[in-house]
Amino acid sequence: DTAVSQTPKYLVTQMGNDKSIKCEQNLGHDTMYWYKQDSKKFLKIMFSYNNKELIINETVPNRFSPKSPDKAHLNLHINSLELGDSAVYFCASSQDRQGRGETQYFGPGTRLLVL
Amino acid sequence: AQSVSQHNHHVILSEAASLELGCNYSYGGTVNLFWYVQYPGQHLQLLLKYFSGDPLVKGIKGFEAEFIKSKFSFNLRKPSVQWSDTAEYFCAVTGGFKTIFGAGTRLFVKA
Repeated sequence: DTAVSQTPKYLVTQMGNDKSIKCEQNLGHDTMYWYKQDSKKFLKIMFSYNNKELIINETVPNRFSPKSPDKAHLNLHINSLELGDSAVYFCASSQDRQGRGETQYFGPGTRLLVL
Repeated sequence: AQSVSQHNHHVILSEAASLELGCNYSYGGTVNLFWYVQYPGQHLQLLLKYFSGDPLVKGIKGFEAEFIKSKFSFNLRKPSVQWSDTAEYFCAVTGGFKTIFGAGTRLFVKA
């Protein structure tokens, strides 16, 4: 019974391709996030969605487009992949409804390698 | 600017040694403070958190952290580490829907 799941776990692709990463949480949380962890393990927030609405967009290139079809899902679509997009992408969720900063629950990560 | 600074990038200790990992933050307004841990091959999970009240908070596996408001610090401690504590430790600050993580401290405990 995985709380936050991501697919795929590994993704190897060529530059210029378009790819998607899916995230689902079964915790009943209202808020979901995408983070990027680079090769130095630095974890940086990309997007935050609350109740299917975009709340945080941290100057991410518009090649990255999150989609939240419902509160339990937050997918990440990436167009025209670049070498610098290689990283581990983590999805997370929390029951934060009013931006009070609740505990986040993380998925296992998707390791993206762009060749 | 909002930031979280972790003083040590790599720490190597022998079992039973005491641990203290430093964390300082710069963030305007009310914040909540967290320590997350990432064990090898696993996802991030909560170690402990501070929202309000007693500035000394206790987490799982014998970890504790102290919030010192005047120093904008939230240092993590454990009196006696074990080999199984080998992991990456992240300090995080949350304000609103935004969380800022520190760069992480990689702890290696020698058996």
